[in-house]
Amino acid sequence: KAGVTQTPRYLIKTRGQQVTLSCSPISGHRSVSWYQQTPGQGLQFLFEYFSETQRNKGNFPGRFSGRQFSNSRSEMNVSTLELGDSALYLCASSIEQGSYEQYFGPGTRLTVT
Amino acid sequence: GNSVTQMEGPVTLSEEAFLTINCTYTATGYPSLFWYVQYPGEGLQLLLKATKADDKGSNKGFEATYRKETTSFHLEKGSVQVSDSAVYFCARDYGGATNKLIFGTGTLLAVQP
Repeated sequence: KAGVTQTPRYLIKTRGQQVTLSCSPISGHRSVSWYQQTPGQGLQFLFEYFSETQRNKGNFPGRFSGRQFSNSRSEMNVSTLELGDSALYLCASSIEQGSYEQYFGPGTRLTVT
Repeated sequence: GNSVTQMEGPVTLSEEAFLTINCTYTATGYPSLFWYVQYPGEGLQLLLKATKADDKGSNKGFEATYRKETTSFHLEKGSVQVSDSAVYFCARDYGGATNKLIFGTGTLLAVQP
């Protein structure tokens, strides 16, 4: 079975721009979560989607948004990029919602200049 | 609130040495506990998990026992290899109907030949 895939793997953007990251979960998995990883803050939960609905959201400003499609693929969007948004963005999928094993993708490395 | 505390690194060991990475969690509810490993340039891989008190998770020679009385989930391996060099993250689930994970800060392990 193919693992979680994330595209693109690397991205360089300029302050003020917006960016969209994509995540394709493992086939049959219906829950997708997003995390931001930075050297200073570590791994922080962004949001969780299940059945095309956001089920949980972390403490991030409204510039961070996401959605999930009917095929369980998910996208996250960051508008008005700031230097501090530079990070590794990780997507994780699981079969269902509620403390199931999660499988992470390789991440998208976003650099904001 | 829910949190996970793990020992700071880096941890530097010689090949075949014994490894312990300490991890404690806040005792809110009855969380599932996890160890994830991140190799350079990659996403997180689930190493092992335990879902209730006294459970022992094990994989690839690594072990961790869910200790409710000490709220701990220490990672151990009897004989480390150079290929074990990576960052190790302890995590607990947030609880309830969510897949949200709370991660520790990560511990860098460097194994020297």
